[in-house]
Amino acid sequence: AQKITQTQPGMFVQEKEAVTLDCTYDTSDQSYGLFWYKQPSSGEMIFLIYQGSYDEQNATEGRYSLNFQKARKSANLVISASQLGDSAMYFCAMREGLARGSTLGRLYFGRGTQLTVWP
Amino acid sequence: NAGVTQTPKFRVLKTGQSMTLLCAQDMNHEYMYWYRQDPGMGLRLIHYSVGEGTTAKGEVPDGYNVSRLKKQNFLLGLESAAPSQTSVYFCASSYSTGAERTDTQYFGPGTRLTVL
Repeated sequence: AQKITQTQPGMFVQEKEAVTLDCTYDTSDQSYGLFWYKQPSSGEMIFLIYQGSYDEQNATEGRYSLNFQKARKSANLVISASQLGDSAMYFCAMREGLARGSTLGRLYFGRGTQLTVWP
Repeated sequence: NAGVTQTPKFRVLKTGQSMTLLCAQDMNHEYMYWYRQDPGMGLRLIHYSVGEGTTAKGEVPDGYNVSRLKKQNFLLGLESAAPSQTSVYFCASSYSTGAERTDTQYFGPGTRLTVL
């Protein structure tokens, strides 16, 4: 079973509108972290936002917010006031096992959502 | 402060050739990772390292070897390249794997490798 599922291969949004990118995750760990990365056409992976499983409030970073619903195991990214420069591939990722000494700290990635912002 | 850098940015190999990809970070991070990105697959972990002199296998380690002789460098080697290794390779590093923001992984710019 996939650890991270992004069900939207592509999304379109008009400039200045808000958009939600979906992400659901699968883990039996109690402690885990959720990340969103942006990959523009130039190819680099840019960290956007982080949510810890024990964080009581949804994470926010400027125009980015993470709608964290623990019981539903979802961690949707909300981009407010979309800009043309937001057009990119967006990846949701999860890290399990946050206890020190546990395996890895590796990230499990979803397959991404291609966001296109139009004027 | 360059963050995470990767060398080279592009490379074309013939089947059977060998090469080494270099990753360097100047953030004093303990943890370093090599991922590969294939179309429609997201990123998959190849190998990782939790400190100087230690390495371990990730999800797709076959055909690759790694070394971490210095804390700031993490090398990925292909001993005998195959067309299936055509991919974009990303290196990442993080401070720790504690339950803190400091364990965010920061990525290099990627290396686009084509094996003919």
